[in-house]
Amino acid sequence: DAGITQSPRHKVTETGTPVTLRCHQTENHRYMYWYRQDPGHGLRLIHYSYGVKDTDKGEVSDGYSVSRSKTEDFLLTLESATSSQTSVYFCAIGSGGAYNEQFFGPGTRLTVL
Amino acid sequence: ILNVEQSPQSLHVQEGDSTNFTCSFPSSNFYALHWYRWETAKSPEALFVMTLNGDEKKKGRISATLNTKEGYSYLYIKGSQPEDSATYLCALTEGNQFYFGTGTSLTVIP
Repeated sequence: DAGITQSPRHKVTETGTPVTLRCHQTENHRYMYWYRQDPGHGLRLIHYSYGVKDTDKGEVSDGYSVSRSKTEDFLLTLESATSSQTSVYFCAIGSGGAYNEQFFGPGTRLTVL
Repeated sequence: ILNVEQSPQSLHVQEGDSTNFTCSFPSSNFYALHWYRWETAKSPEALFVMTLNGDEKKKGRISATLNTKEGYSYLYIKGSQPEDSATYLCALTEGNQFYFGTGTSLTVIP
């Protein structure tokens, strides 16, 4: 398995509180991604990073911010969590290029009450 | 945002049957198409990456074809086994962004 971990794996929080999810990789891949998985929508890209301090928005970036200060860590922050952000969040890594195969982390289940 | 569609949404087959599903996508500005296998309570696992029109990939009993001109890819499973039960996702790449379909859920009945 690719060396990707996510923390926490489960979290329950209240509306309006800040939440940070962490993705850590040991593969030294350049690209890192955050997705959310919701019924009827599949996986949707929130943000991605193509290097340290280099990030860009995905399809559903509103309400989320990211940071990447080290190659191995990619943080996803919900500044003020809302119930619509209840979801399963997956981190993925990739080496880039034409065959940009992605490897996924185990996921974080977030519930916002 | 690219619209990637998969059909059927779900499928039940008997063990030993062969089956196939479809991934449809806009044919303009094609870059790459990915297939993933996603078992319940696990993470998606890459099956194939295809970039050229007419590409065919095979891994064991699973194979895939790609037609970029008409905007579709087929995934075939020959002689389905219960361990093939999973959701099969396709994703289209545009630049660095991935656009996933909603998947085809396959259940293989012993």
